[in-house]
Amino acid sequence: RKEVEQDPGPFNVPEGATVAFNCTYSNSASQSFFWYRQDCRKEPKLLMSVYSSGNEDGRFTAQLNRASQYISLLIRDSKLSDSATYLCVVKGGGGNKLTFGTGTQLKVEL
Amino acid sequence: NAGVTQTPKFRVLKTGQSMTLLCAQDMNHEYMYWYRQDPGMGLRLIHYSVGEGTTAKGEVPDGYNVSRLKKQNFLLGLESAAPSQTSVYFCASSYPYGYTFGSGTRLTVV
Repeated sequence: RKEVEQDPGPFNVPEGATVAFNCTYSNSASQSFFWYRQDCRKEPKLLMSVYSSGNEDGRFTAQLNRASQYISLLIRDSKLSDSATYLCVVKGGGGNKLTFGTGTQLKVEL
Repeated sequence: NAGVTQTPKFRVLKTGQSMTLLCAQDMNHEYMYWYRQDPGMGLRLIHYSVGEGTTAKGEVPDGYNVSRLKKQNFLLGLESAAPSQTSVYFCASSYPYGYTFGSGTRLTVV
């Protein structure tokens, strides 16, 4: 079983739509959780950290459920510029190591 | 402020050749990492270092060696390249704050 699992997509949505991504992780000792964004042929970039209390950054809302080992990302009012691959990332263990999901591809269309 | 710089950006190797990928960071980060990313897969950790003179194996270390002789540099070596090592390689650094990725090295082994 992969440590971090995501639906690979692609999710094709019209501009203005709301889209949700989900992720599960297997290591209950994981300490920190993130969503990264990766554009085609570029390095991953931090989108936002994820907290149990839920957190919001503009059109983006992230949520962590430690009991279910489940992480979510909600994007409201999708823009063309949101088209990218979204990576669910978990940090834990020595060395500050990150474990990545395979990513969910989002395509926002006119 | 350069952040994390990877050289080279592109390289084509013949099977059996050797090469070294260089990662340099100017943020005084203690930890450095080498990841590889293959199509349909998330980033996977090859090796990492928690300080000058230290290295440790990650998830997929076979076929690679690393060295961290200076705090700012982390070298990834392929002694005898194989087609299975065709990938995009990302270097990253972290600690105490943040996690910064380089822009990647695209390596093709023919």
